[in-house]
Amino acid sequence: QSALTQPASVSGSPGQSITISCTGTGSDVGSYNLVSWYQQNPGKAPKLMIYELTKWPSGVSNRFSGSKSGNTASLTISGLQAEDEADYYCCSFAAGGTFVFGTGTKVTVL
Amino acid sequence: QVHLQESGPGLVKPSQTLSLTCSVSGGSMSSGSYYWSWIRQPAGKGLEWIGRIYSRGTTNYNPSLKSRVTMSLDTPKNQFSLKLDSVTAADTAVYYCARDIDSYGSGSNLYWGQGTLVTVSS
Repeated sequence: QSALTQPASVSGSPGQSITISCTGTGSDVGSYNLVSWYQQNPGKAPKLMIYELTKWPSGVSNRFSGSKSGNTASLTISGLQAEDEADYYCCSFAAGGTFVFGTGTKVTVL
Repeated sequence: QVHLQESGPGLVKPSQTLSLTCSVSGGSMSSGSYYWSWIRQPAGKGLEWIGRIYSRGTTNYNPSLKSRVTMSLDTPKNQFSLKLDSVTAADTAVYYCARDIDSYGSGSNLYWGQGTLVTVSS
């Protein structure tokens, strides 16, 4: 069970849109729409931003959206804001009833 | 509002067993069926899913840790626990407990503890 592959870093200017990819295999991302995305600020616990591929937990901005194509899931942040600067992790259900996280992406707001 | 809090030794010797407890407040663990998870994060590195336990006691573990991990529930005490045997320095990490957003079991952890640092060292 290998970690899902994410770009190490993504950056954008305020107001722009950025997309973070999360590439897995046919045994995880490709087979299930059970992908979640987490935002983590330094020294803090992760915060759920997207679940079951496209759903928002209560209180999370709809500037965050999720999608999937084949074995790659994506998180798009629209109207980038300074407060969005953080680390982001994807997580997918995998065969055997387990879960696997992505390698993590550092988002920088320029 | 559900609140989770990890507790346990911050220092464990190599080859010994790491034992952590997650205390749940803001709701009874016996009301509703949820998945209770453990996730860890070595310093400066990414998140690693350790495993989860369902309210009825069934478990799923990370295959790479499965031979060393045991999770259990103590519903009357509103707690659940993690034991990791034969630890090495590679098990040094911040350990988080978490709970799913709903009972579907999609691994969508909405509620998290603040995390507790466990260092493996002699």
